[in-house]
Formats: sequence, C-alpha cells, structure tokens
Amino acid sequence: DTGVSQDPRHKITKRGQNVTFRCDPISEHNRLYWYRQTLGQGPEFLTYFQNEAQLEKSRLLSDRFSAERPKGSFSTLEIQRTEQGDSAMYLCASSLLTLEGYTFGSGTRLTVV
Amino acid sequence: AQKVTQAQTEISVVEKEDVTLDCVYETRDTTYYLFWYKQPPSGELVFLIRRNSFDEQNEISGRYSWNFQKSTSSFNFTITASQVVDSAVYFCALIDSGGSNYKLTFGKGTLLTVNP
Repeated sequence: DTGVSQDPRHKITKRGQNVTFRCDPISEHNRLYWYRQTLGQGPEFLTYFQNEAQLEKSRLLSDRFSAERPKGSFSTLEIQRTEQGDSAMYLCASSLLTLEGYTFGSGTRLTVV
Repeated sequence: AQKVTQAQTEISVVEKEDVTLDCVYETRDTTYYLFWYKQPPSGELVFLIRRNSFDEQNEISGRYSWNFQKSTSSFNFTITASQVVDSAVYFCALIDSGGSNYKLTFGKGTLLTVNP
C-alpha cells in the first residue's frame, strides 16, 4: 500500500493552456474523489467516482474541467483554457465504499500565470 | 445544509504546552461522520481520526485526544505536550447522508504554530 499518488506535484502554466493531472488511488479503493483547495481555505469537493462511473460533479466544475477514471483505476483531471482563478491545490482522495481509509494524496499545486 | 466551523484561525503555543482545537458542526442528519486531518507545509492531508455519530466515546491516541459532544455539536481535538513537529494546519470535516454520503465538508482550518 503506497498511498494515493498524484502527479505532477507542481505545475506552472500560462493562461489559456490546457493541463492534465493524474491520480493513482490505493489499489483496493472503489471510490475516488477530487477536491480543490485555495489559499487559506479548506478543500472543496469537485467530483466523485465509484469504480469507473462519475457519480457527482460539483457546480464548482465548469465546462472547462473534465475528469475520467478509465477502468476504475487511475484518474485524470483536465482543465482546458486555464484561467488565473484556477490556481489552487488539486487534491485527490480514495476510500472504500464504507468510507474506511479516506486517504488524500499530496496534491498538485497549479499556478496559472 | 451541513457546515463545519473552526473559529480559531491561528494558535501559537510554546513547546510542551497543551492545546485544544475547536470544531463545531451543523447537520440535520442523525447519521454522520466527523474527521480530523493534519496538513503540514508539504501540503498532504494526513488522516488523524474518524468518528461516527453513534459513537460518543472519547478517544486518546498517544498525545492526541478527541472530545465528541453531540449535545453541543462539537468535536474538539487536544494535543498534550505539544511539539514543534505538530505545527501544521488542522482541518475538521463532516460527512453526512444529506445529498451524499461520501462528500467531505471541511472547516477553514486552524493554523497551529508550536514554538521551541
């Protein structure tokens, strides 16, 4: 059990560019979540997968955001046409169906310049 | 709707002092879960504890202890004999059944600084 892995740890991009983040959950976890954390705030829920099905998307996720979890394993979060307001820490978490082991990764810090 | 309030934005203590971090929650559900996470400067959220609403027994884990009181909707966290390594932002969070039973609602966090 190596925990939840996220890649990259840091990403600096120019406004208007597309970026993609990857999350590898704990292998036996069915549930995978994405959260966003801005400076001085607690994380806010973005989206949730149970196996490969995306079951909920927050209103925080505009049409520029898309997430996938092919085959119910790793997940990707893509942001198209990035804006400065997208600058934040993007956190991935995973858990069992029972919520046991609700574990977060180290996050990807995105800076849009 | 669910809500978590951590009224203490920042706390500064001297090493070996005891410190209590407050957490007050709001939910209409009778079934819910409360969590505490630690976020050191590296950014990772480290799980500390999960408590369900039917288990009001207080818990102690080494220097950490948690006081869950449903009557006041509070789930406070105490660090005994604080150490410099305890310096971090601490988040209290809630999952309830209203709307979803998997989505964490976080407080704004309390920045704890332990000075040598």
